Amino acid sequence: AQSVTQLGSHVSVSEGALVLLRCNYSSSVPPYLFWYVQYPNQGLQLLLKYTTGATLVKGINGFEAEFKKSETSFHLTKPSAHMSDAAEYFCAVSETGSSASKIIFGSGTRLSIRP
Amino acid sequence: DTAVSQTPKYLVTQMGNDKSIKCEQNLGHDTMYWYKQDSKKFLKIMFSYNNKELIINETVPNRFSPKSPDKAHLNLHINSLELGDSAVYFCASSLGLAGGGREQFFGPGTRLTVL
Repeated sequence: AQSVTQLGSHVSVSEGALVLLRCNYSSSVPPYLFWYVQYPNQGLQLLLKYTTGATLVKGINGFEAEFKKSETSFHLTKPSAHMSDAAEYFCAVSETGSSASKIIFGSGTRLSIRP
Repeated sequence: DTAVSQTPKYLVTQMGNDKSIKCEQNLGHDTMYWYKQDSKKFLKIMFSYNNKELIINETVPNRFSPKSPDKAHLNLHINSLELGDSAVYFCASSLGLAGGGREQFFGPGTRLTVL
């Protein structure tokens, strides 16, 4: 069965600093991996996803993530944090193959940005 | 235009009551979901429908009953509400099964408070 672990329930960085949110997954088959963002009082929206191909994936708002199979990781980064990045971030994993029906979300990491 | 909409946005009710939450998507998607997000932001899938057919039914009390009258709508009825049902409920949709690497689009959520 697939699972996702997000290290750190809360991360705080200064505006302009590097953002690094950590995600490790467990899967017996090659996974599909996602990062979703939830702004306050809103639903989730997709930041980026990895399915196949290039292991460095670029998403919206300057975020990117790298799939590292050897480390079973899919960490999310952004070179320079902006105040508007303050939100809850969820890593997720799904089974591969079109018959797979659901994705499993991590417990979330709250990102705070200091002025 | 709102892609995935939910009504009501807030729902405050007494223990033992029966309530419904409605969800509609105008994206032409064939798969819809209900998620429950608890106070610690943990997101757990409850149900999923594909082309009006129930395909995911997690270990949810049978007081919760989903209904999909057509592919664009997925409603959630809850009988005999309990204090532990207090949470934010999210509806989502996707074109095809989300587990196959497809993006899910989330509604804004319904905050249910049971007194």
